[in-house]
Amino acid sequence: KNQVEQSPQSLIILEGKNCTLQCNYTVSPFSNLRWYKQDTGRGPVSLTIMTFSENTKSNGRYTATLDADTKQSSLHITASQLSDSASYICVVSAGFQKLVFGTGTRLLVSP
Amino acid sequence: SQTIHQWPATLVQPVGSPLSLECTVEGTSNPNLYWYRQAAGRGLQLLFYSVGIGQISSEVPQNLSASRPQDRQFILSSKKLLLSDSGFYLCAGLRQGSYNEQFFGPGTRLTVL
Repeated sequence: KNQVEQSPQSLIILEGKNCTLQCNYTVSPFSNLRWYKQDTGRGPVSLTIMTFSENTKSNGRYTATLDADTKQSSLHITASQLSDSASYICVVSAGFQKLVFGTGTRLLVSP
Repeated sequence: SQTIHQWPATLVQPVGSPLSLECTVEGTSNPNLYWYRQAAGRGLQLLFYSVGIGQISSEVPQNLSASRPQDRQFILSSKKLLLSDSGFYLCAGLRQGSYNEQFFGPGTRLTVL
């Protein structure tokens, strides 16, 4: 069964600190893995997309890693800001039209 | 740039009433379009997708239907809403390219009372 599991479910960190969010997947065939940021009550916005051959990709203070052998990905946020408070969703593509969504990690950055 | 518009942003409807949510896309032609529902604490669930005018694929059996009357318009409907139809509805388009990335609209929060 295709599944994407994210951890932790929720996280509170102090402004300025770093954090790492985890994503484990069992999706086949694997096409690519995406991280989205979703502010409360808004649509998800893409942060990074990685294919099988890419093991790291950065977007500003966001860095995603992918280990296709262990089927794990992480999203590292550096020097967190209050505006980073949101849900972060890991999505794995099993081919055209087939996206498997994780339930997300809810991050709260506290001043 | 490619943008998805959705309205209304929020909607409160009584059980048994009809529903019509509209999604339009700009900045691209003949896009693949998608309707998702996001329940609280759950991942996004694909409801319908469309690869062109009049072409609708349903992913899960449900109380909802979708239509694609124009190239850049995608409509989600129901004849009689159920309590279980409450949720956050997202329309998405497919950004053509090497990654075939989906881009999302702002969403509609539907509450059925």
